[in-house]
Amino acid sequence: EVQLVESGGGLVQPGGSLRLSCAASGFTFSNSWMHWVRQAQGKGLMWVSRINIDGTDTTYADSVKGRFTISRDNAKHTQYLQMNSLRVDDTAVYYCARGFYGAFNLWGQGTVVTVSS
Amino acid sequence: DIVMTQSPDSLAVSLGERATINCKSSQSVLDSSKNRNHLAWYQQKPGQPPSLLIYWASTRESGVPDRFSGSGSGTDFTLTISSLQAEDVAVYYCQHYYGIPFAFGPGTKIDI
Repeated sequence: EVQLVESGGGLVQPGGSLRLSCAASGFTFSNSWMHWVRQAQGKGLMWVSRINIDGTDTTYADSVKGRFTISRDNAKHTQYLQMNSLRVDDTAVYYCARGFYGAFNLWGQGTVVTVSS
Repeated sequence: DIVMTQSPDSLAVSLGERATINCKSSQSVLDSSKNRNHLAWYQQKPGQPPSLLIYWASTRESGVPDRFSGSGSGTDFTLTISSLQAEDVAVYYCQHYYGIPFAFGPGTKIDI
């Protein structure tokens, strides 16, 4: 089955860290650009970060630049999002998505990140 | 950065009737060298992740019913549902992918 499965979300205090994972199956992960998109409760969608097929090219939204790091392990068919210096406004559902020329043609179910004291 | 806007914010449509959602980008998302608009539409049902409906502004994703269609070019785009079905109740988002940062519109909620 073609799917993406996120994990690693949870409750963290402001200033803390979390590492999200996204496990891919059913397609050639190593040929796919990958992204993270987030959605705060009851709000719209915000693109967070992307990574190219071999991990040598990464890009971030300004609001997370310098705090978040995207990476991937093609041997494990998994991408990651290391989130440091978390803020209350980082609270959201984080979705892993497969890129298709910049559109997103496969989404995971999401993992919830809550930043609160 | 390109900013996306959508109208209306919400829309109530009778079953079998047409629904039209508008999306506007703050600058053109047309790649004139390839004549392709870097614009996608998504559907998000309650409690679910978004799913891709339309890309290149008017190309339907595989498996998407043909009652969904996209049109427009440059800065103005439209998603049309020709005959609304009960399962189409959702929030619809447009998104540009004409350079970083990618951005989504604020969404349009469709109800019966």
